[in-house]
Amino acid sequence: EAQLVESGGGLVQPGGSLRLSCVASGFSFSSSEINWVRQAPGKGLEWVSFSSSTGITVYYADSVRGRFIVSRDHAKNSLYLQMSSLRAEDTAVYYCARVNGHTAVDLDLWGQGTRVIVSS
Amino acid sequence: EVVLTQSPATLSLSPGERATLSCRASQSVSTDLAWYQQKPGQAPRLLIYHASDRATGIPARFSGTGSGTDFTLSISGLEPEDFAVYYCQHRRNWPSFTFGPGTKVDFK
Repeated sequence: EAQLVESGGGLVQPGGSLRLSCVASGFSFSSSEINWVRQAPGKGLEWVSFSSSTGITVYYADSVRGRFIVSRDHAKNSLYLQMSSLRAEDTAVYYCARVNGHTAVDLDLWGQGTRVIVSS
Repeated sequence: EVVLTQSPATLSLSPGERATLSCRASQSVSTDLAWYQQKPGQAPRLLIYHASDRATGIPARFSGTGSGTDFTLSISGLEPEDFAVYYCQHRRNWPSFTFGPGTKVDFK
């Protein structure tokens, strides 16, 4: 069964750093484009970043560009989101989600999410 | 930038009734429109892609229609597990994924 599992969330002070992980299983991670999508408490879904299947091409939302870095470790079937200079507005549940390989325009597999709280 | 709006914000219905949710794009997205369901405390789940194709394992009571700027998600005969928030999404602002604000289907 295809699965994505996030971890690494927690409580961090403003200005601090945190690294989220997303481990893939049951499908070809090295052939899949993966994104990070977040959801602030009581709010809707916001796209955060994109990683091509190789990890060479990455993109970020304006709200996180320059502060977040996405990377992959193919040996570990893992995607990471290194978050720094965190702000209160980064508080959210962070999901990793796979791009639908047939359409390339929707997200067909989501992890269960990991919660990040930025607060002093 | 292509923006999505969804209506109504909340839809109050009873089990067995038909739900009709609307999603409107500020510019044409052709049929590159998806729908997701999210239950409290859970991740979103893909329901419909390409405007009208059901994702794997999605019951036939869920159907999507539309093209261009106007789309509809219909749920024929609401089951108790269908009470949730529904989001539409497109990728015309490539590479990002743009979501609508959501429609909550709750119990009347």
